[in-house]
Amino acid sequence: KAGVTQTPRYLIKTRGQQVTLSCSPISGHRSVSWYQQTPGQGLQFLFEYFSETQRNKGNFPGRFSGRQFSNSRSEMNVSTLELGDSALYLCASSFRGIQETQYFGPGTRLLVL
Amino acid sequence: AQSVTQPDIHITVSEGASLELRCNYSYGATPYLFWYVQSPGQGLQLLLKYFSGDTLVQGIKGFEAEFKRSQSSFNLRKPSVHWSDAAEYFCAGDLDTGRRALTFGSGTRLQVQP
Repeated sequence: KAGVTQTPRYLIKTRGQQVTLSCSPISGHRSVSWYQQTPGQGLQFLFEYFSETQRNKGNFPGRFSGRQFSNSRSEMNVSTLELGDSALYLCASSFRGIQETQYFGPGTRLLVL
Repeated sequence: AQSVTQPDIHITVSEGASLELRCNYSYGATPYLFWYVQSPGQGLQLLLKYFSGDTLVQGIKGFEAEFKRSQSSFNLRKPSVHWSDAAEYFCAGDLDTGRRALTFGSGTRLQVQP
């Protein structure tokens, strides 16, 4: 079974631009969660989508948003990019059941100049 | 506050030596706990998980972890380290079951000496 895939793997943007990252979950998984990883703050939860609805949200500004499609694929958008948004963005998928496990993709590395 | 702590930022061991990576959690109940490994530039790979039951759990690549409620710990162990085990290891907890938001420790970078 194919794992979680994320595109693109690398991105370079400039301050003020916006960016969209994509995540395709493992087949059959309906929940997609997003995490940001930076050297200073470590791994932090951004939000979770299930059945095309945002179910949970971490402590990030409204510039960070996402959506989920009917096939469970998810996109994450960051508007008005700041230098501090440079990070590895990881997507994880799960069944969203009891005692579930999140499986991570390879990540998208975003560099904001 | 609910948290996961990895006290060791960096650990160096010799190839063939045993390994123990520490993880402590702060949570009112028993959380779901996980260990993930990350190689440079890569995503997170699940090593093992604990939900309930047997406190010694086995994972992939010869790793195991023991849940100790009295010590609020979930330490990762391996009896004999291989050079390919060099990576960063993250302990994570689902500290608010239902929220599906993992709380991660800060990670332990493992270096393996020949």
